[in-house]
Amino acid sequence: GAVVSQHPSWVICKSGTSVKIECRSLDFQATTMFWYRQFPKQSLMLMATSNEGSKATYEQGVEKDKFLINHASLTLSTLTVTSAHPEDSSFYICSARDPGLAGALNSYNEQFFGPGTRLTVL
Amino acid sequence: AQSVTQPDIHITVSEGASLELRCNYSYGATPYLFWYVQSPGQGLQLLLKYFSGDTLVQGIKGFEAEFKRSQSSFNLRKPSVHWSDAAEYFCAVGGPFGNEKLTFGTGTRLTIIP
Repeated sequence: GAVVSQHPSWVICKSGTSVKIECRSLDFQATTMFWYRQFPKQSLMLMATSNEGSKATYEQGVEKDKFLINHASLTLSTLTVTSAHPEDSSFYICSARDPGLAGALNSYNEQFFGPGTRLTVL
Repeated sequence: AQSVTQPDIHITVSEGASLELRCNYSYGATPYLFWYVQSPGQGLQLLLKYFSGDTLVQGIKGFEAEFKRSQSSFNLRKPSVHWSDAAEYFCAVGGPFGNEKLTFGTGTRLTIIP
């Protein structure tokens, strides 16, 4: 099955520093990856859609200069939280869509989720 | 705009009892519907999905869900829950190619009592 990994699984940083989170598709090439944010005991909110080789599309209200997304290869997307503050503390989850499944009955649109990264900003 | 409502924030069920988690959606066309489960501190695991065809879909771990277009619902059911089913459950709606963003409900936390 399609596997998506994230690194690191958790990170603690000081306020004002930047943190990079990696999302990798391990056994398939993902032209599209998605970044979500989840606050404690809340739902997932889509932050941005990352397309390989092009600029990410950010959801309304998400600061693109604060949450930098790079999708430089078909298996890797990165999210960099710049000048992190305590309010950026959250659980960040990525997902990837396998275009190889596109068009296959009952496989269309399926996203495979990573295990998430817990960010704590002190 | 698409949206998902999960009316029950928290449900407690005895082990071995049946379970139904409610999900209502709003979507302008034929929806693609999903149920995911999340254990504490973990990512999401897909339980089942509905794209088209038979409105009763079977998933993993003994779960099933029924798509009812007239009620805009996609409720998740399990005839007999196990202690390991305790987790957070999310319903999500998305669209076909070109509109694949998933919109999640707020989730239902399931507690299992002995």
